[in-house]
Amino acid sequence: DAKTTQPTSMDCAEGRAANLPCNHSTISGNEYVYWYRQIHSQGPQYIIHGLKNNETNEMASLIITEDRKSSTLILPHATLRDTAVYYCIVRLSGGGADGLTFGKGTHLIIQP
Amino acid sequence: GAVVSQHPSWVICKSGTSVKIECRSLDFQATTMFWYRQFPKQSLMLMATSNEGSKATYEQGVEKDKFLINHASLTLSTLTVTSAHPEDSSFYICSARAGTGVVTQYFGPGTRLLVL
Repeated sequence: DAKTTQPTSMDCAEGRAANLPCNHSTISGNEYVYWYRQIHSQGPQYIIHGLKNNETNEMASLIITEDRKSSTLILPHATLRDTAVYYCIVRLSGGGADGLTFGKGTHLIIQP
Repeated sequence: GAVVSQHPSWVICKSGTSVKIECRSLDFQATTMFWYRQFPKQSLMLMATSNEGSKATYEQGVEKDKFLINHASLTLSTLTVTSAHPEDSSFYICSARAGTGVVTQYFGPGTRLLVL
C-alpha cells in the first residue's frame, strides 16, 4: 500500500468547515483513498473512500487532486463531536486479504 | 454502515488467566475478520487476519499460541488471550469485511483489557 502523510494535529472552530489534507504521492492507479476516524476510546469509524472522482456522503466530502497525489477530507460544519484522530489510508481495489495499515493520523480538535 | 459488535467492552483479569473476546458482524456476513491492538497514545496495529473456516494468519511478532483466533462462522470471530500478563493490557479492536471485492472494513467498538 502507498504511504500517506498527514499533519499531526489541526484545530477548527465549531460550525466551520474542517479541511484535512493527506499526501499520497506514490499512489498507484488501482489504489483507493480511504478515510477513517477514531474518537477517543472507540473503534475506528469508516467515513468515505474514493478512487479519482470527488465523493460526498452524509458525513463528509472527499476531494482528490487530478494527479491523485493528494486528497482533502472536508467536514462541512464541524461539531464538537467531530474531535477525533482522522486516518487517511490508501488501499488496492479488492483489498486482498490484508488488514488496514494505520499511520499516526491527524488529531482534529474542534474548538467551541 | 455495517455494524460490528464486541463483547465484553472491558475486562479485568488476573495474570495467568485466559480471556476470550467476541466479535460479531450483526447485519452482514463477514468472510474476513481482522484483529488489531492499540496501546495508549499509539495507532492501531494489525495482529491477525482470519477467514471463515480456515486458520488465522498472524502478523510478524504476534504469538499464535498466545492469541488464539477462531472464525467458526460468517458472523463470529473470537480472540482468546491465553495466560495473560500485564504487558497484554491493551485495547483490542476487531473489524470485519464482507466479500473479496469490497475493501471497506467496519470496526467494532473495542475491548479494553487490563491484566493485574
